Amino acid sequence: SQTIHQWPATLVQPVGSPLSLECTVEGTSNPNLYWYRQAAGRGLQLLFYSVGIGQISSEVPQNLSASRPQDRQFILSSKKLLLSDSGFYLCAWSKGAGAYNEQFFGPGTRLTVL
Amino acid sequence: AQKVTQAQTEISVVEKEDVTLDCVYETRDTTYYLFWYKQPPSGELVFLIRRNSFDEQNEISGRYSWNFQKSTSSFNFTITASQVVDSAVYFCALSPPSSASKIIFGSGTRLSIRP
Repeated sequence: SQTIHQWPATLVQPVGSPLSLECTVEGTSNPNLYWYRQAAGRGLQLLFYSVGIGQISSEVPQNLSASRPQDRQFILSSKKLLLSDSGFYLCAWSKGAGAYNEQFFGPGTRLTVL
Repeated sequence: AQKVTQAQTEISVVEKEDVTLDCVYETRDTTYYLFWYKQPPSGELVFLIRRNSFDEQNEISGRYSWNFQKSTSSFNFTITASQVVDSAVYFCALSPPSSASKIIFGSGTRLSIRP
């Protein structure tokens, strides 16, 4: 069966510090991968998605970047965090590009920028 | 426009009551898929159901049921005999082929079940 992992689970970082969040998927190959952010009490905002190694699509201009160095690894990064980067970050995967493919979500990383 | 609207921001009911969560969507695609996800306090989103736009048959799974009405672009979710464990944020989502690999989420409805 497929599983998706995210780490760390929680993170407290000062403003201006770098960020690296990691997401890995097991039990499948060539998944579509997604990064979402959820501000407190708000809905999901799609940040990035990837249909293959090295292929990243950005949805919202921002302080963050994403990379996919391996088929089942998706990394969210920032060189300098802002207060507004605080939130709950969710990674998700789907089986392919079809509209019928539901997304499966990881446990999330709760980021607080102070 | 491709959009999902969940007009109910928060709902609170007493345990054992029935509750319906509304979802209205907009899409220019004739073929599309609709989803419901549950986000319990732990944070992880849990997939509940997928519905094909060609299939308007209502679906029931235990205490959960879904009413898809293509004529009104709605995909409502009903919980019968609600329980405290149903307390969560529920998201409705749309996946039209024209949006490539992306799912469009509504803003969510926070459901609180009081004992």
